[in-house]
Amino acid sequence: AQKITQTQPGMFVQEKEAVTLDCTYDTSDQSYGLFWYKQPSSGEMIFLIYQGSYDEQNATEGRYSLNFQKARKSANLVISASQLGDSAMYFCAMLPFYNQGGKLIFGQGTELSVKP
Amino acid sequence: DTAVSQTPKYLVTQMGNDKSIKCEQNLGHDTMYWYKQDSKKFLKIMFSYNNKELIINETVPNRFSPKSPDKAHLNLHINSLELGDSAVYFCASSQDGSSYNSPLHFGNGTRLTVT
Repeated sequence: AQKITQTQPGMFVQEKEAVTLDCTYDTSDQSYGLFWYKQPSSGEMIFLIYQGSYDEQNATEGRYSLNFQKARKSANLVISASQLGDSAMYFCAMLPFYNQGGKLIFGQGTELSVKP
Repeated sequence: DTAVSQTPKYLVTQMGNDKSIKCEQNLGHDTMYWYKQDSKKFLKIMFSYNNKELIINETVPNRFSPKSPDKAHLNLHINSLELGDSAVYFCASSQDGSSYNSPLHFGNGTRLTVT
C-alpha cells in the first residue's frame, strides 16, 4: 500500500538553527515523486520542494533541502537558518508512478514552531 | 498574480443549504483538483479533472458535484449540506496529472462551516 509517515507531530527549533522534519514512505513503484508543502496558520498550502525517485542529487530550494535516502525510503526536509516565519505545519506527500490522475498521498503533518 | 484562486475564503451556512466554491488557475495547467482537509489536518483528494474531463472521483457523496467549464476553472457545488461537510476545501492544479513529477499548486483554501 502507498503510504507516507511523518512521526513528529510537533517540533521546536530555535531561530537561526537548522531543523530536520522526518518523512518515510512506502511504495512498490520504482518511479515516484516526493513533495513537501508548508501550511502556515493562515491556511494556504505552499509547495516547497520536489524530489524525483531517479534524481541522484538531493533537491534544494533556497533554505530548504531534501535529504533523500532511497534505500531507507526516507525524504526528510531540512530547513537551514530557521526564521520565525517558518512556523507552520509541514506535509510530506508522494505521487506514485501510477498516480491515478494526481492523487497525492499525504502524511499526517509536522507542526514546526520556531522560537525567538 | 494569484496562480490558483478560490472563492470564497470562508463559507458559513446552515444544514440543508446548497453552496458553491469557485476555482480558477492562470498557470496554464491541464489538470485541476479538489482536496478536502479534515479537522485533523488530513488531506485527501476528492476529484481531479484533466482538460474538463473527470479523472478521479474518490467515493465522494453525490451531493458534491464538480463542474469544469474550461480547463482553467473547476467549481465545486455542494447540495444539502451536512454538519460533516465542515472542512477546508482546497482547489489545486498541476501541469500533468498523469505524471509523478508534476507538483500540485494549491489555492488558499475555503473554510466551510455548516451549522
